[in-house]
Amino acid sequence: DSGVTQTPKHLITATGQRVTLRCSPRSGDLSVYWYQQSLDQGLQFLIQYYNGEERAKGNILERFSAQQFPDLHSELNLSSLELGDSALYFCASSVGAGSYTGELFFGEGSRLTVL
Amino acid sequence: AQTVTQSQPEMSVQEAETVTLSCTYDTSESDYYLFWYKQPPSRQMILVIRQEAYKQQNATENRFSVNFQKAAKSFSLKISDSQLGDAAMYFCAYRSAQGGSEKLVFGKGTKLTVNP
Repeated sequence: DSGVTQTPKHLITATGQRVTLRCSPRSGDLSVYWYQQSLDQGLQFLIQYYNGEERAKGNILERFSAQQFPDLHSELNLSSLELGDSALYFCASSVGAGSYTGELFFGEGSRLTVL
Repeated sequence: AQTVTQSQPEMSVQEAETVTLSCTYDTSESDYYLFWYKQPPSRQMILVIRQEAYKQQNATENRFSVNFQKAAKSFSLKISDSQLGDAAMYFCAYRSAQGGSEKLVFGKGTKLTVNP
């Protein structure tokens, strides 16, 4: 158990809909990262938050948005969903900026299926 | 931008044998971290081993070891005495140590099959 909690584990929805994925980082971690893993693909970095502020942005679509709340949990909002958005969405956390070990701790992922 | 390449989409090994997974990366930075993560069918991402670029000594963790060749920008993973539980996707990842984001850049992965 990494200590990172993601909900929901599975989600099935229709094209055009909007969903929200939730992530609670490990206790004490200030940074949250979101990754997308499509079928047979590696993990694509979407966005990072550090202590409530956006710290880095990857190839995140304009239809997607995220935020980190004062209690450090984060939400990833996906709107106007398309079939191609079907993927496994991972949240990860780390101690914070410049953490020595460098590693990220991953949640179990949220499997999104768009029909 | 940094990139990570895993040239072996799939590998197989006999139980108790040794297998090496390849990884190369492209960067202009001198200080960084490299990782191998394992993703079993449960899909959980599990850290296998970590290497700091400033350390010349190759990292080892029990049956897992790396061959880090900084000049060649190569970071291979060797699994000794392979076990059925080692079957998984293995991802190589890079992280800059020069400030900015702490995000990891991943390769596309290598699927490892362990045959009994």
